Amino acid sequence: DAGVIQSPRHEVTEMGQEVTLRCKPISGHNSLFWYRQTMMRGLELLIYFNNNVPIDDSGMPEDRFSAKMPNASFSTLKIQPSEPRDSAVYFCASSAGQGAYETQYFGPGTRLLVL
Amino acid sequence: DAKTTQPNSMESNEEEPVHLPCNHSTISGTDYIHWYRQLPSQGPEYVIHGLTSNVNNRMASLAIAEDRKSSTLILHRATLRDAAVYYCILRDNSGAGSYQLTFGKGTKLSVIP
Repeated sequence: DAGVIQSPRHEVTEMGQEVTLRCKPISGHNSLFWYRQTMMRGLELLIYFNNNVPIDDSGMPEDRFSAKMPNASFSTLKIQPSEPRDSAVYFCASSAGQGAYETQYFGPGTRLLVL
Repeated sequence: DAKTTQPNSMESNEEEPVHLPCNHSTISGTDYIHWYRQLPSQGPEYVIHGLTSNVNNRMASLAIAEDRKSSTLILHRATLRDAAVYYCILRDNSGAGSYQLTFGKGTKLSVIP
């Protein structure tokens, strides 16, 4: 299996522009997670989907952030409009289930820089 | 989530064993102990997990104290590729939040050639 695939790997944009990050989970996994990592806050969960349905979006910073999962093999995280404080590495992860014994498999991340 | 305490950093010589400690004195009976690591410029990677008994896999061993208030990740022979930040994480299997994987600051392991 190719693992979790994320695109783009790097994104540089200007403040106010729309940014869309993409994720393809591991085939057969029904749980998908978006995380953000910064030096100040570390790794934090933004949103969790189970069977394509958003279950927990309490970590989404504000209305500028939105996430969708139109089918089992694709998810997007959109920031509109982007701000410099959104600069971070965004990780997508997937797992076969949501139990506490399940392993989460992380993608390589998208490194976002908002100027 | 119950909290974990890890040293900020540790050093090891290459090809020697490494013991990474984690304290979790408020662990509950339904908490699984997970270890993930993050190599530089990569996403976190699963290492091992356990509930009560010691566990071994191809990457590492997990030794869990009898009272479960602490655990130790053991890398049997450290290599340069093992240099990473290691996270000890508790996951509660008792309720709706069992999917939660809450990362702390972890232990930064340096391996000296």
